[in-house]
Amino acid sequence: GAVVSQHPSWVICKSGTSVKIECRSLDFQATTMFWYRQFPKQSLMLMATSNEGSKATYEQGVEKDKFLINHASLTLSTLTVTSAHPEDSSFYICSARVLGNQPQHFGDGTRLSIL
Amino acid sequence: AQKITQTQPGMFVQEKEAVTLDCTYDTSDQSYGLFWYKQPSSGEMIFLIYQGSYDEQNATEGRYSLNFQKARKSANLVISASQLGDSAMYFCAMREGHRGATNKLIFGTGTLLAVQP
Repeated sequence: GAVVSQHPSWVICKSGTSVKIECRSLDFQATTMFWYRQFPKQSLMLMATSNEGSKATYEQGVEKDKFLINHASLTLSTLTVTSAHPEDSSFYICSARVLGNQPQHFGDGTRLSIL
Repeated sequence: AQKITQTQPGMFVQEKEAVTLDCTYDTSDQSYGLFWYKQPSSGEMIFLIYQGSYDEQNATEGRYSLNFQKARKSANLVISASQLGDSAMYFCAMREGHRGATNKLIFGTGTLLAVQP
C-alpha cells in the first residue's frame, strides 16, 4: 500500500525558533499533499493544500507567512512553522494523494511542543 | 455547507461483538466520497474503507463494512468481531466531488471506541 513518511515524529523547541516538518510519499508520486493540525481530543483541521510546483492553498484563518509550505517535488512537501510560539504546539499531520478517487494516505504525524 | 456529523463521542463494545459507529453527512454535490479512518493513541491515521456516492453496493473490507444509506445521508461503519486492537478514535470523512481541483477531506469530530475484554 501507499506509504507516507513524516519526519520528525516529535519536536520540542524554544519559543521563537522555526521548525521544519517533512512529508514524503515513499512508493508513489503525490500530486497533492495536505497539511492538517489536530488539537488534543479534537478532529483534524485542514490547514493547507499543496500541489507540486505551485503555491499552496491555505484555509481561511491560517497564516501563510506563519506556516510556510513548499512542495518542490512529487514526493516531498515541507511545512515550516516560523517563529513558533507555545500556541503553535499541536499535532501536525500530512497526507498525500495521487489522483481521483484514491484515498488520502497519512503520515504518522509530528507532535510539536514549543516551550 | 458540507458537513460531517458523528454523534457518538465515545462507545464501549465487548470483545468479539459487532459495533456500529454512526456518521451522517450533508452536501449538495451529487458526486462525493465517504471515508473512515482509524486513529490509535499513537496518532497515525489509518485508512479503513471508502464508499463512492455512485456505488450501489455497500463497501466491505475484511471486518469493516460501510452501511451506506444515501437517502438518509448516512454512512455508518460496522466493525464485526471486535478485537482489543480496535480500540481507537474513528473519524468519518467526506470528499467533495469534482468541484475545484483539490478534493479536500472534511472530517467529523470522531468517535472513541473502547473494546472491553
